[in-house]
Amino acid sequence: EPEVTQTPSHQVTQMGQEVILRCVPISNHLYFYWYRQILGQKVEFLVSFYNNEISEKSEIFDDQFSVERPDGSNFTLKIRSTKLEDSAMYFCASKILQGPGELFFGEGSRLTVL
Amino acid sequence: AQSVTQPDIHITVSEGASLELRCNYSYGATPYLFWYVQSPGQGLQLLLKYFSGDTLVQGIKGFEAEFKRSQSSFNLRKPSVHWSDAAEYFCAVGVTGRRALTFGSGTRLQVQP
Repeated sequence: EPEVTQTPSHQVTQMGQEVILRCVPISNHLYFYWYRQILGQKVEFLVSFYNNEISEKSEIFDDQFSVERPDGSNFTLKIRSTKLEDSAMYFCASKILQGPGELFFGEGSRLTVL
Repeated sequence: AQSVTQPDIHITVSEGASLELRCNYSYGATPYLFWYVQSPGQGLQLLLKYFSGDTLVQGIKGFEAEFKRSQSSFNLRKPSVHWSDAAEYFCAVGVTGRRALTFGSGTRLQVQP
């Protein structure tokens, strides 16, 4: 069964460092998402991406964050200068259709900022 | 804007007992509703979804949920819980024209032997 894959599964970084989280969405999906979950808290929407541009972003997704689909298969989330409060599990998701379709989630990348 | 409330943060049930996890949403029209499950250290797996039609929907692992428009609810149920059902359960809502899902804060289910 096709699945969304994410790397790395866990990354530890120093505050102020740049981090890139990678995702390979399901191959025929058209809509891509990043969510994050701070430990013990709810899953929060960060950004959605369609047709090589951001279609929606939350207030969390500030100038420190960026997304890119560099090669038609990978979908990356970059955090330019990490802060302690960026420590969280980051989930990538994809969807095939516009509208209320099911999101397929990866297993997440845990980011720890020291 | 739409919102989702899961009033129970933590529920403990005995194995074999029935289960109901509550979910209430706030939205002016009919939303699209989902239940996801997250096992420890894992991603989010879809249990079931409601878009339209029959208000009682069946999902995987023996779960079902009922959409009640009058109560703005979409409660998840299972007649007999298994130890492997211990996990965190998230209700989510999607609406037409908005591409992202909004998640509730989750309910952690513990199953006692």
